[in-house]
Amino acid sequence: AQSVTQLGSHVSVSEGALVLLRCNYSSSVPPYLFWYVQYPNQGLQLLLKYTSAATLVKGINGFEAEFKKSETSFHLTKPSAHMSDAAEYFCAVRAISGGYNKLIFGAGTRLAVHP
Amino acid sequence: DTEVTQTPKHLVMGMTNKKSLKCEQHMGHRAMYWYKQKAKKPPELMFVYSYEKLSINESVPSRFSPECPNSSLLNLHLHALQPEDSALYLCASSPTGNLGGAGELFFGEGSRLTVL
Repeated sequence: AQSVTQLGSHVSVSEGALVLLRCNYSSSVPPYLFWYVQYPNQGLQLLLKYTSAATLVKGINGFEAEFKKSETSFHLTKPSAHMSDAAEYFCAVRAISGGYNKLIFGAGTRLAVHP
Repeated sequence: DTEVTQTPKHLVMGMTNKKSLKCEQHMGHRAMYWYKQKAKKPPELMFVYSYEKLSINESVPSRFSPECPNSSLLNLHLHALQPEDSALYLCASSPTGNLGGAGELFFGEGSRLTVL
């Protein structure tokens, strides 16, 4: 069965500092992995996805993530945080149920950005 | 701007009411999903429709009844709900629902439901 674990329910950084949000996965097959962002009272927006091509994946808003099979990790980074990055971030893995795709989400990490 | 549209954005209903949530997408996607999200929790899958057929039901109580009239529309009919059903209900679509494709989902803004 597939699952993801996000380390740290809350992360706080200063504006301009590096953002690092951690995600580890468990999968019996080569995983498809995703990062989503959710702003208050909104839906989820896809930031980036890993689908077994390049291990370093670039997404929107300056975010990127690196797939490391040896560490079963897919951490999300951004070199310089902006105030507008404050939101909830979810890591997700594709799972198969009865031949159909579904996404399993991690518990989420709330990112706070301070001036 | 999201290409998955959900209505209404907010809904308040009593435990004896019947109401419906609606979702529409015009991206030509063939799979549509309902997720439920409680405060400070991740989304939890409820239903998946693939090619307009119910493909996954995650043991959801029968007071929630999904309907997929065509490939662009998805409804969630609500009846005799409980206060604990209050949550954000998210609709999503995906280019394919079966094993083809990566399985990424595109979400709407959600419908916030309050059951009194």
